[in-house]
Amino acid sequence: SAVISQKPSRDICQRGTSLTIQCQVDSQVTMMFWYRQQPGQSLTLIATANQGSEATYESGFVIDKFPISRPNLTFSTLTVSNMSPEDSSIYLCSVRPSGRGNEQYFGPGTRLTVT
Amino acid sequence: QKEVEQDPGPLSVPEGAIVSLNCTYSNSAFQYFMWYRQYSRKGPELLMYTYSSGNKEDGRFTAQVDKSSKYISLFIRDSQPSDSATYLCAMSEPDKLIFGTGTRLQVFP
Repeated sequence: SAVISQKPSRDICQRGTSLTIQCQVDSQVTMMFWYRQQPGQSLTLIATANQGSEATYESGFVIDKFPISRPNLTFSTLTVSNMSPEDSSIYLCSVRPSGRGNEQYFGPGTRLTVT
Repeated sequence: QKEVEQDPGPLSVPEGAIVSLNCTYSNSAFQYFMWYRQYSRKGPELLMYTYSSGNKEDGRFTAQVDKSSKYISLFIRDSQPSDSATYLCAMSEPDKLIFGTGTRLQVFP
């Protein structure tokens, strides 16, 4: 498996501001993913971030709201822009290590509260 | 209809019981099936990973996949209080994971 860390672990932000969440992996991985987990709901994929290419966003998520960077094979950031209370959620990054089939491993998550 | 259905629970059992957790799905193209365990305020932890139909056992945990019925199960034998967590099923075609909403399990001493 992979060891994944996220920063910050939690934050409380004001409406209209932006927050950048960092994801660091202890080994090089091609595929990284960003998910949102809202209370009582399934984990929802926001986007897939592959190094060297633009992130691919799922239906309902747009780059202007959730810009993603993937500068190398061990690091990615997700920014939540112009936040509203509806963005309050847990944001998780995950990775699919090479040679492990379709297994995905998750970071500890970032708990975001927007007031 | 959701692609993946999972009873949210909570499921409360005594220590030592056999626990059965289940998910149903509608997309016959799913090939990969996973179970994650998520403790409160932690990220999901991969417990079991299965490709196509069949059974897989790992210690006290057994995962079953029945593609003909579009039904997957996770069995926990000799359940322990430390098994108290939310269990998420997930499945995919080659790439995108689709998750159930999770079943909250409580094992009391």
